Amino acid sequence: DAKTTQPNSMESNEEEPVHLPCNHSTISGTDYIHWYRQLPSQGPEYVIHGLTSNVNNRMASLAIAEDRKSSTLILHRATLRDAAVYYCILKSNNAGNMLTFGGGTRLMVKP
Amino acid sequence: DGGITQSPKYLFRKEGQNVTLSCEQNLNHDAMYWYRQDPGQGLRLIYYSQIVNDFQKGDIAEGYSVSREKKESFPLTVTSAQKNPTAFYLCASSVHDGGGTEAFFGQGTRLTVV
Repeated sequence: DAKTTQPNSMESNEEEPVHLPCNHSTISGTDYIHWYRQLPSQGPEYVIHGLTSNVNNRMASLAIAEDRKSSTLILHRATLRDAAVYYCILKSNNAGNMLTFGGGTRLMVKP
Repeated sequence: DGGITQSPKYLFRKEGQNVTLSCEQNLNHDAMYWYRQDPGQGLRLIYYSQIVNDFQKGDIAEGYSVSREKKESFPLTVTSAQKNPTAFYLCASSVHDGGGTEAFFGQGTRLTVV
C-alpha cells in the first residue's frame, strides 16, 4: 500500500489559515487522497478527498500537487474546535483496499 | 437521523471472557469496517465486509470474529484468544469500498479488560 508522511504536530493561531502538508511519493494512479480528523475520544470524521484536481467543501480545501506526490489540507480560518489529529490517507479504487491510518498530524490551535 | 451507532460506549470485561460490540448503521451502506485504536496510535483494521454474508480479515484479525447477517449490522466479538483486548474500537461504513467514497465512523466503544 502506498504510504503517507505527515508532521507529527503543528500549531496555529485562532482565526488564521492552517496548511497541513502530506507527502505521498509512491501514490499510484488509482489512489484517492483522503483527509479525516479525529477529536479526543471520538471517531474520525471525514474532511475531504480528491484525485487530481483541487477540491473545496464547507470544511476545508485540498490542494493536490501536479505530480500528485504531495497534498495540502487548508483550513481557511482555524477555530479552537479544529484542534484534532488530522490523517492523510491514500485509498485505492481497486476492490478490497481499505482506509489505512498512519500517525497523523496533531493540530493545536492557540486562542 | 441517519448514522452509525456503536454500543455500549464503555465496556468492562473480565479476562478470559468473550464480549460482543454492536455496530448498526441506517445509511444503507454496503461496506462496513472494524478498527482498533491504542492510545496515541492510528487506527488498525480488524475486519471488513463489502456485502451481506461476506467479510474479510484485516491487518489484526487474530482473536476477533465478526458476522454480517444483515446489511445494517456488523457485530464484533472479542474472544479470549485476543491477548491484549483493552483498546478503543471503532466501526465505520461506506456506500461501497471504492476509492472515492467517504467513510462514516461511529463514536467508538472503549473496552477495558479487568
